[in-house]
Amino acid sequence: DAGVIQSPRHEVTEMGQEVTLRCKPISGHNSLFWYRQTMMRGLELLIYFNNNVPIDDSGMPEDRFSAKMPNASFSTLKIQPSEPRDSAVYFCASSFTGPGANVLTFGAGSRLTVL
Amino acid sequence: GNSVTQMEGPVTLSEEAFLTINCTYTATGYPSLFWYVQYPGEGLQLLLKATKADDKGSNKGFEATYRKETTSFHLEKGSVQVSDSAVYFCALIHNTDKLIFGTGTRLQVFP
Repeated sequence: DAGVIQSPRHEVTEMGQEVTLRCKPISGHNSLFWYRQTMMRGLELLIYFNNNVPIDDSGMPEDRFSAKMPNASFSTLKIQPSEPRDSAVYFCASSFTGPGANVLTFGAGSRLTVL
Repeated sequence: GNSVTQMEGPVTLSEEAFLTINCTYTATGYPSLFWYVQYPGEGLQLLLKATKADDKGSNKGFEATYRKETTSFHLEKGSVQVSDSAVYFCALIHNTDKLIFGTGTRLQVFP
């Protein structure tokens, strides 16, 4: 398996622009997580899905952020409009949830810079 | 609620030194406990885990024992290498699908 695949790896954009980050989870995994990592705030869980359904989006900072999972093999995290304080590394992770499972596999991350 | 507390870093060691990174947790019942490692420029990877009290997780020379009596899961390695330089995250999961991470501890190993 190729692991969790994220794109783009790096994105530089200007304030006010729309940003879309993409994630392909590991085949067979039924949970997907979006995290944000910054020096100041560490690793923050933004949202997670189970069986394509959003379960907990309490970590989404504000309405400018939205996430979708239209099918089991694809998810997007969108920021519209973007702001400089959104600059961070965004990680997607997936897992198979069940007894003895719950081990997250992370993607390599998408580094976002908003100028 | 459930939470994880890790020692603040950075931890700076010479090669072949003994490593301990402290981790304590707060949770009702018996959570599963994990250590993840993040190498520079990469995502987090599972290092080891333990799912019940007194279990010892081990991998790549690292060990951690699930201590229910002290609610701890300290990470240890007998002899660190430069290649172990990374950020280490303690985490737990309990009664939900959500993994709760500590703040991470940066380890720097010098030759």
